[in-house]
Amino acid sequence: EVQLVESGGGLVQPGRSLRLSCTASGFTFGDYAMSWVRQAPGKGLEWVGFIRSKAYGGTTEYAASVKGRFTISRDDSKSIAYLQMNSLKTEDTAVYYCTRDQDERYYFDYWGQGTLVTVSS
Amino acid sequence: QSALTQPASVSGSPGQSITISCTGTSSDVGGYNYVSWYQQHPGKAPKLMIYDVSNRPSGVSNRFSGSKSGNTASLTISGLQAEDEADYYCSSYTSSSTQVFGGGTKLTVL
Repeated sequence: EVQLVESGGGLVQPGRSLRLSCTASGFTFGDYAMSWVRQAPGKGLEWVGFIRSKAYGGTTEYAASVKGRFTISRDDSKSIAYLQMNSLKTEDTAVYYCTRDQDERYYFDYWGQGTLVTVSS
Repeated sequence: QSALTQPASVSGSPGQSITISCTGTSSDVGGYNYVSWYQQHPGKAPKLMIYDVSNRPSGVSNRFSGSKSGNTASLTISGLQAEDEADYYCSSYTSSSTQVFGGGTKLTVL
């Protein structure tokens, strides 16, 4: 059974950093791209970014709203994807979901339960 | 990249069919067959319902179908059931190698 479990969320002050983790199980993690999607309270889904599998270069892409502040990385030996968030803003407050993707197919077939990040002073 | 345009809400009675539209541009919906649809019940994670415009993942009811014409994709739900009441989101790959979601549509089963 495919499982994705996010962790690392919490309350953080504006301008500070936070790192989220997504621990995967039930599939060969290194064979898949992974994305992060967020949802502000009461709002819709927003794609944050993704990391391709090593077979596709392990490269990353980001939404304009987070480019230069957020970094996605992966540790295939531990089956974990990370989202490093720097220079956080109040508008980054959201539930953050990690998702499993298909390289070059661009859809999210499995989702974690999400972790809440609150940016507030 | 602007969000794709979806109606804020749609409604239908049990047994009826409804269609949710998702309008983008030639740089996203119109340019690629990489449109997907997600169902989200309150307090839950989204669930993939349709991928690559019209394909259903294993386990998704055949009451759900997808299509695309030009820059507009559509999700049709036939034989509406109470459990279909949820928020629905479309998503598309874009020419910037990014992905973009629609604003979401709240489906009410009357």
